[in-house]
Amino acid sequence: QSVLTQPPSASGPPGQGVTISCSGASSNIGNNYVFWYQHRPGTAPRLLIFRNDQRPSGVPDRFSGSKSGTSASLAISGLRSEDEADYYCAAWDDSLGGRWMFGGGTKLTVL
Amino acid sequence: EVQLVESGGGLVQPGGSLRLSCVASGFNLRSHAFYWVRQAPGKGLQYVSAISGDGGSINYADSVKGRFTISRDNSKNTVYLQMGSLRTEDMAVYYCARGGVGNYIGAFDIWGQGTMVTVSS
Repeated sequence: QSVLTQPPSASGPPGQGVTISCSGASSNIGNNYVFWYQHRPGTAPRLLIFRNDQRPSGVPDRFSGSKSGTSASLAISGLRSEDEADYYCAAWDDSLGGRWMFGGGTKLTVL
Repeated sequence: EVQLVESGGGLVQPGGSLRLSCVASGFNLRSHAFYWVRQAPGKGLQYVSAISGDGGSINYADSVKGRFTISRDNSKNTVYLQMGSLRTEDMAVYYCARGGVGNYIGAFDIWGQGTMVTVSS
């Protein structure tokens, strides 16, 4: 069971928006940056959001991240078929000597 | 082109050993931390291990501590993961990822395509 909790699935029709949540604790999200990754099956994972809300170059502004307290969210607007993938949040966890934690992942389906 | 290429995966019996390699190209390896992340069949991403740019700081997930060893050879542009006492639950695709620098510190900003490790008798 992951320390960072995500809904297992999310969906929306093309053109609509969807938000994926990531719930943690003070030892991870509460005190550290949140990162989001997109993973299409059979491909390399891709960095989507860093430092809670920053987009790397090349990531469309349809993707946005936010953080409040011990929770974070990834919002995707104007859904496109190529957005269908698994999405993971990640954060450093300060407890037990420190380690990186990933959420369980959310499978996004574009209906 | 900036890229990471993993190799060394394969079939191994429970209790056996395997060494994974991650060859980097297109950038200066020594400036970056590196990570290993795995994905078991039907499961999500799981952090395995990390090593700093100079190799002086190393971290492991509890599930592999004492069994896996991460290392790097900057002269060969390669990061390694020596895996021992392998268990069936270690079966996964193993990804190598580069740690970001500057504003990207903490981000796993470049990932390889992964190498599959199968643990079975």
